[in-house]
Parts: sequence; C-alpha cells; structure tokens
Amino acid sequence: GNSVTQMEGPVTLSEEAFLTINCTYTATGYPSLFWYVQYPGEGLQLLLKATKADDKGSNKGFEATYRKETTSFHLEKGSVQVSDSAVYFCALRQNTGNQFYFGTGTSLTVIP
Amino acid sequence: DSGVTQTPKHLITATGQRVTLRCSPRSGDLSVYWYQQSLDQGLQFLIQYYNGEERAKGNILERFSAQQFPDLHSELNLSSLELGDSALYFCASSVFSGGAETQYFGPGTRLLVL
Repeated sequence: GNSVTQMEGPVTLSEEAFLTINCTYTATGYPSLFWYVQYPGEGLQLLLKATKADDKGSNKGFEATYRKETTSFHLEKGSVQVSDSAVYFCALRQNTGNQFYFGTGTSLTVIP
Repeated sequence: DSGVTQTPKHLITATGQRVTLRCSPRSGDLSVYWYQQSLDQGLQFLIQYYNGEERAKGNILERFSAQQFPDLHSELNLSSLELGDSALYFCASSVFSGGAETQYFGPGTRLLVL
C-alpha cells in the first residue's frame, strides 16, 4: 500500500542552523510528493511539491528533491529562522486513486 | 489565506450530541476532502467529494457522514459524539496545477466533546 514515513520529532535547532527533515515513502508507480507546513493554530499550507523523479521543489528557502531510487523526499533549509517553527508534513498522492497520504508530522522549534 | 473557509472555528458540545461542520472550497475548486487531526493519530483522511459526488472514503466512522451541495460547499455531520471525537477537523479543496493535484487547507474547526 501507500504510506509516508517521517523522522520523529521534535526537532530543536538554533537560528541559522541547517535543517533536514527526512521523509521516505512507499508507493507504486510515480506519485506526486508534497511538503506542508502547519503553524500553531492554523491549517496546513502547501510549502513545496514535486511531480516526477529528480524534480526539486523549492519555496521560502526550503528545498526537497524527489529521489525515486531511494524513495525519499527530504526537506532541507540552509539557515532556519525562528519564524520557521512549525509542524512539517510530508505527503504523497498516487496518480491513480483519489487519496493523499500524510506522514505523522515533524515538529520544529527554532530558538534564537 | 488559502481561500478555503470553515465554520465554526470552535465547537464545544456534550457526548451523544450531533454537530455539523461547514466548509466552503476555493472558488472554482470542485473537490473537497475532510480530515481529522488528533494528537495521538495525526492527520486522518475521512472522505472526499467531487462536484457533489462521493469519490473516496477513508477512516470515516459510521456515525459520521458528509455531503457536498450544488454550490460546492460541503458539510460534515458528526453524530452520537464521544469524548474521543474531540479533534481538529480540516477540509481541503484541490486543483490540478503544475502536473499534480494540490490541496489547499482551511483553518479547521476545533471540536471539544465534554
């Protein structure tokens, strides 16, 4: 079946540190992959996406590359800010079928 | 602002009661998804509607039901409420863009069952 596995949180980093949040997936074929961010008290917001192997999604300094060979879509940012503190969700959608599959979320806290 | 609206923002009710949560998708989006987010189970897909018809069903209890109306707004009905139904309920509408179906989430309804 389809599933998404994210690294366990919470993650605490100092401002300007490098961020990696690991995400691996199980799916048949070529799903689309997403990262969503949820700030406290708010809904999920699309952060970035990639639709095929080797695509790199990027937004607001965050990047993730669709790696078919390792079934991964790790989220990275070179220098985090306090305002990046949030919960990050990795997700996939199969090209057939109508369901999105979400990881359990990784909580990030950035301290000044 | 995603363009998806949900009402009410907060809801407090008692066990055994019934509530209705409302979602209005972004203008032009035909598809609506409902999710339940709880601390112990993360984000759980409940059900999807597309242009008024049910498209997919996830982990939705029989006590829960949903529908999508001709104006494309959707309602999620929760009945015989239990303490464990306390959670955040999100709806999302979706559109195909950049080669992928992308979801846009509303701000959620926080339900507390006492």
